[in-house]
Formats: sequence, structure tokens, C-alpha cells
Amino acid sequence: DTGVSQNPRHKITKRGQNVTFRCDPISEHNRLYWYRQTLGQGPEFLTYFQNEAQLEKSRLLSDRFSAERPKGSFSTLEIQRTEQGDSAMYLCASSLSWSSDEQYFGPGTRLTVT
Amino acid sequence: AQKVTQAQTEISVVEKEDVTLDCVYETRDTTYYLFWYKQPPSGELVFLIRRNSFDEQNEISGRYSWNFQKSTSSFNFTITASQVVDSAVYFCALSENSNTGKLIFGQGTTLQVKP
Repeated sequence: DTGVSQNPRHKITKRGQNVTFRCDPISEHNRLYWYRQTLGQGPEFLTYFQNEAQLEKSRLLSDRFSAERPKGSFSTLEIQRTEQGDSAMYLCASSLSWSSDEQYFGPGTRLTVT
Repeated sequence: AQKVTQAQTEISVVEKEDVTLDCVYETRDTTYYLFWYKQPPSGELVFLIRRNSFDEQNEISGRYSWNFQKSTSSFNFTITASQVVDSAVYFCALSENSNTGKLIFGQGTTLQVKP
């Protein structure tokens, strides 16, 4: 069990550029979550996958954001036409099967939009 | 609407002191789950405990203990004989009985333990 991994750990981009983050969950986990955390705040839910199906998206997830989980393994989160307000830590978490199972978090990707 | 409030923004204690972190939640569900996570300076959230709404027994794990009181909608966390390594941001979170399992986090309490 190597835990949840995320790449890259840090990303600096200019406003208007597209960025993509990757999350590799714990291998036997069916559920995968994306959260966003800004400085001094708790994480906020963005979206959730059960295997390859994206079953819920937060209103925080504007049209510029898209997430995928092909084959129900790793997931990618893409932000198009980045804005300074997108600067945050993007966290990925995975859990076994049930909605009540504890979620295990990755180290996050820190995005800075200049 | 569901909400988690951690009223203490920052707490500073001296090593070996006991410290309690408060968490108050709001939900309309009768079945829900409560969690505590630790976020050390390295940034990775570490799972500490999960509690379901039907289990009000207090729990102790080493120097950590949790007090769940449904009557006051609180799920407080106590660290006994604090250590410098306990310095971190601690988050309380709520998950309602939905298929999603998404977590609603409080704003966190920053605990500083001084030697």
C-alpha cells in the first residue's frame, strides 16, 4: 500500500494557460474525490467518482474544470484558461467502497496562477 | 444545510499540557458520520477517527480521545500530555448519509505545542 499519490506537487502557470493534475488512488479503492483547499480554510469538495463514473460535481466546479477517471484507476483534473482565483491546493482522496468509509488523502498539488 | 464549525482558530500550549479542540456540526440527517483529520506542516491530511451518529461511546487511542455528544451536536477532540509533534492543523468533518460520501470540513484549528 503506497498511499494516494499526486503529480505534480507544485505547478506555477500564467493566467490563461491550461493545467492538468494527476491522482493515483490506493489500488483497491473504488471511490475517488477531488477537493480544493485555499489558505486558512478547510478542503472543499469538487467532484467524486465511483469507479470510472463521475457521479457528483460541486457548483464550485465551473465549466473550465473537467475531471476524468478512465478505467476507474487514476484520475486527472484539468483547468482550462486558468485564473488567479484558481490558485489553491488541489487534493485527491480515495476510499474503499462505501460512502461512510474513511478517505485517504494524497499530498496535494499546489497551483499558483501568476 | 450541513455545516461544521471549529470556533478555535489557533491554540498554543506548552508541551505536556492537555488540550481540547472543539467541533460543532449541523445536519438534518439522522444518520451521518464525523471525522477528524490532522494536517501537519508537510500538508498531507492524515485520517484520525470516524464516528457514526449511532455510536455515542467516547473513544480513546493512546493520548487521543474523542467526546461525541449528540445532544449538543459536538464532537470534541482531546490530546493528553501534548507533544511538539502534535503541532498541526486539525480538521473536523461531516459526511451525511448520501451515496456521495463527500466531506464537509470545518475551517480547522491550528495547534502549536511549544517545548
